[in-house]
Amino acid sequence: DQQVKQNSPSLSVQEGRISILNCDYTNSMFDYFLWYKKYPAEGPTFLISISSIKDKNEDGRFTVFLNKSAKHLSLHIVPSQPGDSAVYFCAAKGRTSGTYKYIFGTGTRLKVLA
Amino acid sequence: SQTIHQWPATLVQPVGSPLSLECTVEGTSNPNLYWYRQAAGRGLQLLFYSVGIGQISSEVPQNLSASRPQDRQFILSSKKLLLSDSGFYLCALLGAGANYGYTFGSGTRLTVV
Repeated sequence: DQQVKQNSPSLSVQEGRISILNCDYTNSMFDYFLWYKKYPAEGPTFLISISSIKDKNEDGRFTVFLNKSAKHLSLHIVPSQPGDSAVYFCAAKGRTSGTYKYIFGTGTRLKVLA
Repeated sequence: SQTIHQWPATLVQPVGSPLSLECTVEGTSNPNLYWYRQAAGRGLQLLFYSVGIGQISSEVPQNLSASRPQDRQFILSSKKLLLSDSGFYLCALLGAGANYGYTFGSGTRLTVV
């Protein structure tokens, strides 16, 4: 059962335009969400996060939006740059037996075209 | 600051051979540690996590095992590798406070041939 879903495996965007990456989740108990960026043959790196008590968090070119009623979050990158080309994972924080862990989506490969 | 070291970076192993991947952390004590796998075309799948020495929780039944012999050491092992064990293995450390998310190691690309 995939609790965190990224339904678009890939996305291509022209440089300078907006990139929108989407993520859906099923568990209403998730209270914290993160986006990670991953280049090939490297570990993911943290990009931006949002708490469930907020609906928007912004950091430079990156903005994450959370719609709790729809159990949906999105990452906006404006303007998109070629260096943004990577795989993006959304992750939701869950708690099992008193231990925190993050459940990841399947990732979306973003390609920014110069 | 917290850092996480993982090795080797790449590994090619024949089917049926054993496996040992090591992960060590610095800059923190009693961390929560995790092993994830990214298989081709799939997301990051949690394999094991550990909240302390000798404490291992398995998320999915598989051909792998994990051990935590020391506070800052987390090991992923297999007695006999299968072709399906191929993938990119990542060790992760939960940041100070769960809302800091993970710090990941640089990963190990395992190819079973």
